[in-house]
Amino acid sequence: DAGVIQSPRHEVTEMGQEVTLRCKPISGHDYLFWYRQTMMRGLELLIYFNNNVPIDDSGMPEDRFSAKMPNASFSTLKIQPSEPRDSAVYFCASGTGFDTIYFGEGSWLTVV
Amino acid sequence: SQQGEEDPQALSIQEGENATMNCSYKTSINNLQWYRQNSGRGLVHLILIRSNEREKHSGRLRVTLDTSKKSSSLLITASRAADTASYFCATDDGNNRLAFGKGNQVVVIP
Repeated sequence: DAGVIQSPRHEVTEMGQEVTLRCKPISGHDYLFWYRQTMMRGLELLIYFNNNVPIDDSGMPEDRFSAKMPNASFSTLKIQPSEPRDSAVYFCASGTGFDTIYFGEGSWLTVV
Repeated sequence: SQQGEEDPQALSIQEGENATMNCSYKTSINNLQWYRQNSGRGLVHLILIRSNEREKHSGRLRVTLDTSKKSSSLLITASRAADTASYFCATDDGNNRLAFGKGNQVVVIP
C-alpha cells in the first residue's frame, strides 16, 4: 500500500496567490482529515470528511480556506488568497474511524 | 483545540536507557493514542489504549492510562538512536474529534 499521498511536498508562494494542496487517501478508508502543524499552535484539525461529505469544518481558520472531496480517492485544500501566517505544514490523513489514522508526509507551505 | 499536553517537552537520553513521557488531558475520553513523528515526516500511529484499559504493551512500548488523574504515560525501553523523534498523544473524546498535544521531543544519543 502506498499510504496517504500528498502533493506538493514543498511550495513557496507569494502573498495573495492561490494555493492548492492535494491528497490521495488510502484505498478503503472512508475518513479523511486535514491538519495544520505549526510550532506555535501544534497540530490543529482543519476539517474532516466521512464518505466524501464534510462533517466538521469548525477548524477552518476563515473563508480563505476551502476543502473539497469530489470522490473517495481525492481531496483538495485550497487557500485563496494566501497570507504569510498560513505558512505551515499541512497534513492529510485517512482512516476507517478515529482509532488509528494514517498521515501523509505533509505539504510544507511557505508564503512570502 | 489541543487537549493532550505532553510533559516533559524535551528529553535527551543515552542509547539503551528508558524514555518516559507523560500526557494529561481535560475531558473524559474513549481512548488515548500515541503517535511518533520523525523530523520532516508525517505522524505514525504507535499504540492505542481504551478508557477501560490501564496498561498496554507493544514491543518496547508500554502505555499506561489513569482516567482518575486524566493522564497517560509512554515508556520506551532500551532506547535506540532510531527512536529520536517527537511523540504526540491524541485523545478521542467521543465527539468525533481527535485532539493532539503539542508533542514531546526525544533525542537518543548513540
